[in-house]
Amino acid sequence: GAGVSQSPSNKVTEKGKDVELRCDPISGHTALYWYRQSLGQGLEFLIYFQGNSAPDKSGLPSDRFSAERTGGSVSTLTIQRTQQEDSAVYLCASSLVVGSTNEQFFGPGTRLTVL
Amino acid sequence: AQSVAQPEDQVNVAEGNPLTVKCTYSVSGNPYLFWYVQYPNRGLQFLLKYITGDNLVKGSYGFEAEFNKSQTSFHLKKPSALVSDSALYFCAVRVPTGGFKTIFGAGTRLFVKA
Repeated sequence: GAGVSQSPSNKVTEKGKDVELRCDPISGHTALYWYRQSLGQGLEFLIYFQGNSAPDKSGLPSDRFSAERTGGSVSTLTIQRTQQEDSAVYLCASSLVVGSTNEQFFGPGTRLTVL
Repeated sequence: AQSVAQPEDQVNVAEGNPLTVKCTYSVSGNPYLFWYVQYPNRGLQFLLKYITGDNLVKGSYGFEAEFNKSQTSFHLKKPSALVSDSALYFCAVRVPTGGFKTIFGAGTRLFVKA
């Protein structure tokens, strides 16, 4: 079956512009997660969704970052007024049901470069 | 604070030799522990997890990991390494009372030489 998909795969933007990153989770997965992977760094948790609600937004680096999920499916991560330090690979993951024992299925990521 | 440590940035082994990738954690409560692998130009893939029960967990591609509560460790092992095992390995922990937030280690790059 289809895995987690993300678009675009690569995004180059100029400092100060807004960007939207999209994630399509595996059909039927109720939990969705966003992470950031900077060069040479591990995964940094950003936000997760349970259905359409986001109980934990503590990982968002600043108020320039926001995310939404609609219909319990597609999620969009928006970065406003991008800065060079936002350059990273943004990973999305989903898991089947609500429950902390479930492994996550990751998408291929969106590589964001802010010039 | 909850944390996961992977003390080695890189591990080098010869093909056919056993490999170990180390992971220690610091969390309150009983953790759920995971290993993920990231092959070049590919997304992260789940390898194995420890939830409860037998401390030795077997996963994909011949990997296994041993949960050691007293040492708060969850080291990844494989009896005989393959060149194709070369990748970036991440240890992760989730606390049952912590919702669905997963804390990842910084990753360990494994190089297997032929």
